[in-house]
Amino acid sequence: EVQLVQSGAEVKKPGESLKISCETSGYRFTTYWIGWVRQMPGKGLEWMGFIYPGDSDARYSPSFQGQVIMSVDKSRSTAFLQWSSLKASDTAVYYCARSRGEVVGLFDYWGQGTLVTVSS
Amino acid sequence: EIVLTQSPATLSLSPGERATLSCRASQSVNNYLAWYQQKPGQAPRLLVYDVSNRATGIPARFSGSGSGTDFTLTISSLEPEDFAVYYCQQRRSWSTFGQGTKLEIK
Repeated sequence: EVQLVQSGAEVKKPGESLKISCETSGYRFTTYWIGWVRQMPGKGLEWMGFIYPGDSDARYSPSFQGQVIMSVDKSRSTAFLQWSSLKASDTAVYYCARSRGEVVGLFDYWGQGTLVTVSS
Repeated sequence: EIVLTQSPATLSLSPGERATLSCRASQSVNNYLAWYQQKPGQAPRLLVYDVSNRATGIPARFSGSGSGTDFTLTISSLEPEDFAVYYCQQRRSWSTFGQGTKLEIK
């Protein structure tokens, strides 16, 4: 059974750093792109980027380029999303999702989401 | 960037009625158009991909159609569990989502 299990909710202050995780199981981690999606409170879905665990090739949405870093740990079948200096506007639920198919971006399995709250 | 515009923003219908949700792209998406359903407090769920292919386990009352830049998700007869927010998504050029259509009980 394919599963993506994300790390728990975080409460941080502006300027702090953060790394959240997405642990996968039930499939070959290195052969499917992983995507990250942001959902701000009461708002819609925003694609942030993709990463290919096989070689850590990462593609960022222009809106998020330079704002976050995606990474993976192949030995743990886990993907990560990190910030070096959080802002209040980073408050949101962040989802990881597996991308299937030859054309990247079709999200067939999703994590449960990680709520990140940034407040002074 | 390909922009997806969904309409209407909110759709109020009763169980048993037919729902028609629209998604218009700012340029051709080469039929790489998917639909997702999201209920409060839950992750999105893939319903339809590549315009008209239902994902695994999705009931036959959900169907997708369209081509080029205009796409439709139809729910033939609404069940109580279908009231949710629906998003279209393109992956022709990386990825973007529409702003969503909220399907609410009338």
